[in-house]
Amino acid sequence: NAGVTQTPKFRVLKTGQSMTLLCAQDMNHEYMYWYRQDPGMGLRLIHYSVGEGTTAKGEVPDGYNVSRLKKQNFLLGLESAAPSQTSVYFCASSYSSTRNQPQHFGDGTRLSIL
Amino acid sequence: QKEVEQDPGPLSVPEGAIVSLNCTYSNSAFQYFMWYRQYSRKGPELLMYTYSSGNKEDGRFTAQVDKSSKYISLFIRDSQPSDSATYLCAMTFSGGSNYKLTFGKGTLLTVNP
Repeated sequence: NAGVTQTPKFRVLKTGQSMTLLCAQDMNHEYMYWYRQDPGMGLRLIHYSVGEGTTAKGEVPDGYNVSRLKKQNFLLGLESAAPSQTSVYFCASSYSSTRNQPQHFGDGTRLSIL
Repeated sequence: QKEVEQDPGPLSVPEGAIVSLNCTYSNSAFQYFMWYRQYSRKGPELLMYTYSSGNKEDGRFTAQVDKSSKYISLFIRDSQPSDSATYLCAMTFSGGSNYKLTFGKGTLLTVNP
């Protein structure tokens, strides 16, 4: 029972490079989320998805794109990485809002932009 | 005024102590309240989940919600070194917008053997 799995766990990029963070969940959850966690800032929502093929912006979406082509996967893309995007990125998932279920998190991707 | 305020600590207690962790919030529309525990270099894991006011107990953990004061607490009895972690409060609305959790910034707790 893997829950929410994030890959990679660590990555170092140079400014201007692009990359994709992968999130997979095996709980058949409808909702998926991408957060970033920075010291003194707490968890901030980047983008989220309420179902396969749908995405929406969260609090801090600039510089990121997402895709939800399959229900179990949610991808976060950085097209042109900037040092300000150095952070720990967490993916989470939950059942539909009508059941008011809490979110379950992966163990994060630590990303450094040089 | 931030929506959710949480004292970042750090909080250091001896093993066996009773720990009290707290959050205050400003939006009276919050209906669901959660406590997450986050170990170092790990993702947050759900610890307690409560709806509206009152207490909920699970083993050594008790979650308390006082909606009239906009105040939630997590109590840990007989604290153990394994309880050393960052504790995050989170809350959300009832109904169609409750996908969006609002988090506190977390309190770092160390339980010393």
